[in-house]
Amino acid sequence: GAVVSQHPSRVICKSGTSVKIECRSLDFQATTMFWYRQFPKQSLMLMATSNEGSKATYEQGVEKDKFLINHASLTLSTLTVTSAHPEDSSFYICSARWDKAGRKDTQYFGPGTRLTVL
Amino acid sequence: AQSVTQPDIHITVSEGASLELRCNYSYGATPYLFWYVQSPGQGLQLLLKYFSGDTLVQGIKGFEAEFKRSQSSFNLRKPSVHWSDAAEYFCAVGASGGSQGNLIFGKGTKLSVKP
Repeated sequence: GAVVSQHPSRVICKSGTSVKIECRSLDFQATTMFWYRQFPKQSLMLMATSNEGSKATYEQGVEKDKFLINHASLTLSTLTVTSAHPEDSSFYICSARWDKAGRKDTQYFGPGTRLTVL
Repeated sequence: AQSVTQPDIHITVSEGASLELRCNYSYGATPYLFWYVQSPGQGLQLLLKYFSGDTLVQGIKGFEAEFKRSQSSFNLRKPSVHWSDAAEYFCAVGASGGSQGNLIFGKGTKLSVKP
């Protein structure tokens, strides 16, 4: 149980285009989803937290107009990188969590999406 | 400020040898503690977690970790390492309370296994 998928696993795009990454919880309902960015040989950096049906909360330094997050249902969150540039190339990982009765439990991670902007 | 420290950036052990990966945390409240493993180009897989109760927790793949409040540590151990254990290991701390219950990750320890 607790499987999280991401699509696509890899994407290459031209500078200036937008890219959408999907994160799905396959066998549980995710009240909260997180988006992380990971640079080579570094740890995960939290970009934003999204709760179903409400606006995402972005970490300091993350441009919300650049990285659009939509959490339309309890099983799907999307991250759209708008007007992508080479510096946006990175490994993007989502995680999902089911918060029961106000208790915040384990985050389950997706397999990640490798974005390369040419 | 909340933080997680993994002092060892890279560790190499021989196959069959024992392993201990160190993790120290700084957290004001009662922490939730996690160990995740990441293979190259992959997401993170949960190895084990500590929420409360017995301070020695068992995880998947033969891993265990011990929570020591007095030392603010949550070290990961395995008695006999397999070649397939080679990966990056991340310690993380979180809390059940707060507005988000975010995880704070350490910088990771890369494990190499030699035959």
